[in-house]
Amino acid sequence: GAVVSQHPSRVICKSGTSVKIECRSLDFQATTMFWYRQFPKKSLMLMATSNEGSKATYEQGVEKDKFLINHASLTLSTLTVTSAHPEDSSFYICSASYGSYNEQFFGPGTRLTVL
Amino acid sequence: TQLLEQSPQFLSIQEGENLTVYCNSSSVFSSLQWYRQEPGEGPVLLVTVVTGGEVKKLKRLTFQFGDARKDSSLHITAAQPGDTGLYLCAGAGVSDSWGKFQFGAGTQVVVTP
Repeated sequence: GAVVSQHPSRVICKSGTSVKIECRSLDFQATTMFWYRQFPKKSLMLMATSNEGSKATYEQGVEKDKFLINHASLTLSTLTVTSAHPEDSSFYICSASYGSYNEQFFGPGTRLTVL
Repeated sequence: TQLLEQSPQFLSIQEGENLTVYCNSSSVFSSLQWYRQEPGEGPVLLVTVVTGGEVKKLKRLTFQFGDARKDSSLHITAAQPGDTGLYLCAGAGVSDSWGKFQFGAGTQVVVTP
């Protein structure tokens, strides 16, 4: 149980284009979903927290117009990187939480490369 | 802001040796999680501890939550190459909304045959 999928696993795009990443909880309904960014050999950096039907809460320094989050249902959240630039290249990971202690279950991540 | 300090940052040991990773904070956490992450993959939840003084065992891994719920440790006995990975601790603050976690910086563990 508690499986989270992410799609795509890898994406390469040209500078200026937009990229959408999907995060799905496959066998549970998530109360909250989170989006993280991870740099090589570093820990996770929380970008935003989203709840179904509500606007996402962004962490300080994260541009909401750059990283659009839509949480359409209890099992699906999407992150759209708009007008991507090379500095947006990174490993993006989502997580979904549920349960008594709000444990977070992570997706496998999406490697974004912007040329 | 509740900060989680994780140590050491890097640990390289031989197969069969023991190791301990520490996670410390000046703040109290309602629960604390340990994850292991392999390159190119998402973190995998190993354990959740919620009670002060709690000890949980997962095969060769022993997790302890401090009495005051401010610190935790992960001990691996007779490490194997398959234990190699980035170990992350994450704490849920008592006042955090939406179950937001504070993550430690991570400990890169390398176990060589």
